[in-house]
Amino acid sequence: EDQVTQSPEALRLQEGESSSLNCSYTVSGLRGLFWYRQDPGKGPEFLFTLYSAGEEKEKERLKATLTKKESFLHITAPKPEDSATYLCAVQARTKEYGNKLVFGAGTILRVKS
Amino acid sequence: NAGVTQTPKFQVLKTGQSMTLQCAQDMNHNSMYWYRQDPGMGLRLIYYSASEGTTDKGEVPNGYNVSRLNKREFSLRLESAAPSQTSVYFCASSEAKYARYTDTQYFGPGTRLTVL
Repeated sequence: EDQVTQSPEALRLQEGESSSLNCSYTVSGLRGLFWYRQDPGKGPEFLFTLYSAGEEKEKERLKATLTKKESFLHITAPKPEDSATYLCAVQARTKEYGNKLVFGAGTILRVKS
Repeated sequence: NAGVTQTPKFQVLKTGQSMTLQCAQDMNHNSMYWYRQDPGMGLRLIYYSASEGTTDKGEVPNGYNVSRLNKREFSLRLESAAPSQTSVYFCASSEAKYARYTDTQYFGPGTRLTVL
């Protein structure tokens, strides 16, 4: 069974204090790993897709990396506006139609000024 | 482009009542999805439609039905609501028609449903 586990459940940072969020996964053949950002009361907003081990992608203060068993979302010098829940999801290779995603429970990030 | 829109934004039902959640996308996407999100759990797939005219069960389909009305619209129906269906419901869409390549899903703003 495909599974995604995110840690920590919650993270509090001071503005400018860099850190990383973890997403570990078990999947029967990874097609892609996705990172989303979700603000309170809103739908998930797409951030990155990673396809293969060793791949990295960056957007502003965020950098996502991928290994064969986990992904990290590195946040460099965060600002209060980076506060949100960050969701990780995997897409498995499947013979069925439909690009089904399996989501982790998310990491709630709070950045204080 | 509005992207993915959902109605209503909030709804309160009594046990046993029925209702339909509406979803529409203006991105000309082929695939559409319904998820539910509960505290401490990841988004869970209820139903999906890989193309117009097809629908398939996801992880948690019991108590729900769906209709892919046309390429733009995908509705979720609760025939007899139960308190266990209290949740936030998200609709999503993606371009891919077949599961042969990686495909990004784009989400709507959600419907917050409470069943008393």
